[in-house]
Amino acid sequence: GQQLNQSPQSMFIQEGEDVSMNCTSSSIFNTWLWYKQDPGEGPVLLIALYKAGELTSNGRLTAQFGITRKDSFLNISASIPSDVGIYFCAGCWNSGNTPLVFGKGTRLSVIA
Amino acid sequence: KAGVTQTPRYLIKTRGQQVTLSCSPISGHRSVSWYQQTPGQGLQFLFEYFSETQRNKGNFPGRFSGRQFSNSRSEMNVSTLELGDSALYLCASSEWRGASYNEQFFGPGTRLTVL
Repeated sequence: GQQLNQSPQSMFIQEGEDVSMNCTSSSIFNTWLWYKQDPGEGPVLLIALYKAGELTSNGRLTAQFGITRKDSFLNISASIPSDVGIYFCAGCWNSGNTPLVFGKGTRLSVIA
Repeated sequence: KAGVTQTPRYLIKTRGQQVTLSCSPISGHRSVSWYQQTPGQGLQFLFEYFSETQRNKGNFPGRFSGRQFSNSRSEMNVSTLELGDSALYLCASSEWRGASYNEQFFGPGTRLTVL
């Protein structure tokens, strides 16, 4: 099935550092989403983006919907140990409950 | 409000067997989607049910099937299990509000191991 290209695959950073990850697609999406998954849990929605060019923040997290509608990035500022986990981007076409297309995830490790 | 619940949480089966996984959506949510998560392929969409009808289907063989009951609870079934079916199976529920995006809330998943 179709997937998004998400990078980097993994990151090791020091506590307090900023983090950036991005996602690209060959297809246009109407909605971009960023999820975080902790071990033993399902993904939890962090940020949803609905409009090309949109920049949205959720606490220390900031995400942008690319103007081409084919990419998105997520920034985490001043990382803390609880930021550890796997971050997924996902895209979908707004049409009722059309399925989400996911990236393969960025595994984030924070060194205290 | 209780979240999405999935049972069982862990399951071990052998090749050739079949398995049924269950998902109870958030109260009031009428749409249930299923995803397969593996290290190699990531999260892949299996199918989505709304009002007891399959609305969307991913690119999986016919061995994978599902259904939804009148109370919105859903089950998925995998017949003739293969080693490659080992995965975390995630269920997500959402409301149905027409054309706008409807946030999907994920359950913790069922970890299936096929030996």
